[in-house]
Amino acid sequence: SAVISQKPSRDICQRGTSLTIQCQVDSQVTMMFWYRQQPGQSLTLIATANQGSEATYESGFVIDKFPISRPNLTFSTLTVSNMSPEDSSIYLCSVRTGEYDTQYFGPGTRLTVL
Amino acid sequence: KQEVTQIPAALSVPEGENLVLNCSFTDSAIYNLQWFRQDPGKGLTSLLLIQSSQREQTSGRLNASLDKSSGRSTLYIAASQPGDSATYLCAVLNTGGFKTIFGAGTRLFVKA
Repeated sequence: SAVISQKPSRDICQRGTSLTIQCQVDSQVTMMFWYRQQPGQSLTLIATANQGSEATYESGFVIDKFPISRPNLTFSTLTVSNMSPEDSSIYLCSVRTGEYDTQYFGPGTRLTVL
Repeated sequence: KQEVTQIPAALSVPEGENLVLNCSFTDSAIYNLQWFRQDPGKGLTSLLLIQSSQREQTSGRLNASLDKSSGRSTLYIAASQPGDSATYLCAVLNTGGFKTIFGAGTRLFVKA
């Protein structure tokens, strides 16, 4: 299994500012995933972060808006840049690991942009 | 392109009732299927994972089944309790794929 922690757990931010979300895993993993969950919606994959290479972004998400770092096999950050109220969501860090590629999620970061 | 659908979108049952949540997928070439629980404003908790070669998995009051040929999975919850109230999501990982496809979830409310 994998235990994932995220910081901060929630934040309220002003329009135009940026927030960096941290994700720490208790074991080494190759790929880390960042998801967004808008109110009342299911999960949308933002990007996949591999250690030592640039993140791979899904359609509709760009590096300038959501820069990602992956400095080692247990840690990643997602920055939400130049925020607007439309960025208000829960942001979730996730990994797949183990013999059966079980997916695990962090507790999420609840972001509100005013 | 894999699509995952969950029916019903919402369900309200009295405490003690046995219930079934449904998940369907369009591409049978799956590597695994996973059921998650999400409480409001929280992350997802893995409940059960069924490998492609398996037919079902059980954990406590939960039983998940998989029928690849028909593109269906069910999550059976026995003797439901108010603490089971949450959103349940089904997710599929395709063979050779790296991206998990999620259903929209079923919001369950168990009345005391």
